[in-house]
Amino acid sequence: AQSVTQLGSHVSVSEGALVLLRCNYSSSVPPYLFWYVQYPNQGLQLLLKYTTGATLVKGINGFEAEFKKSETSFHLTKPSAHMSDAAEYFCAVSPIQGAQKLVFGQGTRLTINP
Amino acid sequence: DGGITQSPKYLFRKEGQNVTLSCEQNLNHDAMYWYRQDPGQGLRLIYYSQIVNDFQKGDIAEGYSVSREKKESFPLTVTSAQKNPTAFYLCASSMLRQGQETQYFGPGTRLLVL
Repeated sequence: AQSVTQLGSHVSVSEGALVLLRCNYSSSVPPYLFWYVQYPNQGLQLLLKYTTGATLVKGINGFEAEFKKSETSFHLTKPSAHMSDAAEYFCAVSPIQGAQKLVFGQGTRLTINP
Repeated sequence: DGGITQSPKYLFRKEGQNVTLSCEQNLNHDAMYWYRQDPGQGLRLIYYSQIVNDFQKGDIAEGYSVSREKKESFPLTVTSAQKNPTAFYLCASSMLRQGQETQYFGPGTRLLVL
């Protein structure tokens, strides 16, 4: 069985500050890991994903995430927050075999202060 | 323009009424999914389908039904048996080849009960 824990349902940062959204997962098999972003009343947009290979993954809009197997983590970062980054962010995990079984975290709402 | 479309954007249901949410994709994806999103609960899988004329229950299938008569289409019916249908419903699709199972989402349908 797999599960995802996102630490902090709400995160608030100042414009220009570092964004750090935390995600820890539990998986009995090697995982695929994803970050999605959701703007109000819209669907989810893929930010980035880890499947195999390099553990530091770069995504859209300047975001990146690092897969740390020893810590079972996949934290999302962005060096400098922009007002347009305000949204809800979801971390998700799936097994490599049967990757359609995507399990989501509860989401983290990111607020950017001017 | 390739993508996933959902209609309507907003849907109102009266007591005892069945309603159907539409999901269409022109990405030639094999698999399609329906998720329910409630505030603070992330996304929960209702049903998914990997091939035409076949589908599997997800974690919260009770009170819902689906069909997959065409590869491009995966409508969801919310039946009168679903006692708490108010939610945001998201459709997704993906390939099934290993390494290409990333799920892509439609814009969502918000269902409200009158």
